[in-house]
Amino acid sequence: GAVVSQHPSWVICKSGTSVKIECRSLDFQATTMFWYRQFPKQSLMLMATSNEGSKATYEQGVEKDKFLINHASLTLSTLTVTSAHPEDSSFYICSASPGGNQETQYFGPGTRLLVL
Amino acid sequence: AQTVTQSQPEMSVQEAETVTLSCTYDTSESNYYLFWYKQPPSRQMILVIRQEAYKQQNATENRFSVNFQKAAKSFSLKISDSQLGDTAMYFCALYSNYQLIWGAGTKLIIKP
Repeated sequence: GAVVSQHPSWVICKSGTSVKIECRSLDFQATTMFWYRQFPKQSLMLMATSNEGSKATYEQGVEKDKFLINHASLTLSTLTVTSAHPEDSSFYICSASPGGNQETQYFGPGTRLLVL
Repeated sequence: AQTVTQSQPEMSVQEAETVTLSCTYDTSESNYYLFWYKQPPSRQMILVIRQEAYKQQNATENRFSVNFQKAAKSFSLKISDSQLGDTAMYFCALYSNYQLIWGAGTKLIIKP
């Protein structure tokens, strides 16, 4: 149980284009979903927290107009990197918490983004 | 401020040995949770074990156990009978006040 999927697993795009990453909770309803960025050999950096049906809460320093997050349902959240640039290249990970249990997060397998 | 510190950037042990990864934390909250997550080369983050602060008994999951010292704010992970598949980055994390705070990670290598 508690499986989270991400799609795509990796993507290469040209500078200036937008990329959408999907995060789905497959066997539970996720009231809250989280988006992280992980640089090589570093820990996870929380980008934003999204609750179903409401606007995402972004961490300090994260541009909300660049990283658009939509949590349209209890099983789906999307992260769109708009007008991507090479510095946006990274490993993006989503996680999801079952309703009422925000302390435990189940993680997706991650998406590797390379912007050329 | 809430912090999590992992003082061992890298460790290596022989297969079948026991290894302990250290983690210290700081929080002013009385209600919190502690976690150990494993990130193998596939980069899939996997929950290894969790501990509720209000529970005195140390959590165990098969070969994985923790030594939770609340007064000392210490939360170490012991891996018994280590296996090659245990090779991974291990992250200690603290959930408190609606935030999940991560340690820097310890790279564990199990040698055959």
